[in-house]
Amino acid sequence: DARVTQTPRHKVTEMGQEVTMRCQPILGHNTVFWYRQTMMQGLELLAYFRNRAPLDDSGMPKDRFSAEMPDATLATLKIQPSEPRDSAVYFCASRNVGNTEAFFGQGTRLTVV
Amino acid sequence: GEDVEQSLFLSVREGDSSVINCTYTDSSSTYLYWYKQEPGAGLQLLTYIFSNMDMKQDQRLTVLLNKKDKHLSLRIADTQTGDSAIYFCAETSRSGNTGKLIFGQGTTLQVKP
Repeated sequence: DARVTQTPRHKVTEMGQEVTMRCQPILGHNTVFWYRQTMMQGLELLAYFRNRAPLDDSGMPKDRFSAEMPDATLATLKIQPSEPRDSAVYFCASRNVGNTEAFFGQGTRLTVV
Repeated sequence: GEDVEQSLFLSVREGDSSVINCTYTDSSSTYLYWYKQEPGAGLQLLTYIFSNMDMKQDQRLTVLLNKKDKHLSLRIADTQTGDSAIYFCAETSRSGNTGKLIFGQGTTLQVKP
């Protein structure tokens, strides 16, 4: 049963701490997206990768956020230092170029206090 | 840039039809999607339409695309309480071969018994 796996599912942290969210895309998928979902902004595209190379990270605050794909089975999204306004659900999705469907993980619910 | 807009809320009675509307700005959109999000879960693809089509039907779901007006709609026939969820419109294009996947704000569908 192929699925996108995100860890952790929930994270509560104090302001100023580093947060790392991880995503395991579906094996063989070469495009990975990171989204942030909030009540106010809806679903915002933060960054996406194709074949592990970043194609667009213009949606991401550069001073504190970073996204990487150390290998084809792992994508990471880091926030350092975290702030209360970063509280949101962060979703990872993957698909193959030429495929129509992007598959979503269950999300990481981040709360920064 | 690309933008996708949806109304935020729709309430219908069980058994009625629901129509959720979406507008987009990217004239190079190739695929347009409808995703469903249930509480506490990730997004799941409901259906999609290729930009050279104007209608697609899949059981209780009918998608209409007016490419001239850049308007997409999702009709759910015989709406059930289990259809209560957030529905996202999304588009992807091959402009610059980016394959970026952009979502609207989501429409919360409330189905009253």
